[in-house]
Amino acid sequence: DTGVSQDPRHKITKRGQNVTFRCDPISEHNRLYWYRQTLGQGPEFLTYFQNEAQLEKSRLLSDRFSAERPKGSFSTLEIQRTEQGDSAMYLCASSQSPETGGLFFGSGTQLSVL
Amino acid sequence: GENVEQHPSTLSVQEGDSAVIKCTYSDSASNYFPWYKQELGKRPQLIIDIRSNVGEKKDQRIAVTLNKTAKHFSLHITETQPEDSAVYFCAASIAGNTPLVFGKGTRLSVIA
Repeated sequence: DTGVSQDPRHKITKRGQNVTFRCDPISEHNRLYWYRQTLGQGPEFLTYFQNEAQLEKSRLLSDRFSAERPKGSFSTLEIQRTEQGDSAMYLCASSQSPETGGLFFGSGTQLSVL
Repeated sequence: GENVEQHPSTLSVQEGDSAVIKCTYSDSASNYFPWYKQELGKRPQLIIDIRSNVGEKKDQRIAVTLNKTAKHFSLHITETQPEDSAVYFCAASIAGNTPLVFGKGTRLSVIA
């Protein structure tokens, strides 16, 4: 599969638990983005990487959110001490180079916090 | 930072009619404007994009226009078909420098 893949597709957790999501970008893409999407809204930017460098993280929703891309390939997004308001679709996207701008999205991880 | 407004939020058209979705942006430095289509339960997919050095771009039944002076851009779908029914998102960025900022989406329903 040459597209962006995300795992898991669905995650149900209890409030207060930690969760981690994984994203594997298109192999030749050096930029990787995390977005959050709630029902009826557009994707909301969270953070992004160029190779292993995190270029912007001020939009992460709180200090409970963190992301890594340690080897410049796959990335993980962790949410600690989950809250019901964290329930959303978490989308990963990648792009081939800084100049193109076009993003290719994964299918997302749907998080439900009970 | 950039702010993107999108209108209308819902749009219903008869099959064969045209549909127009409009977006405005706030950052005059933005120079890249893509449109994404998201079908129910699926990922957003890029359908067309335009850069600030052109005013219009067309791909079969889909066209996008850009007015940099007014800071707005529009998506035009002609001869709509039921499979065009989806949520459409506009977005804006400074290509290579800032991440895409999305509008809230337009739910298009094409009635057969």
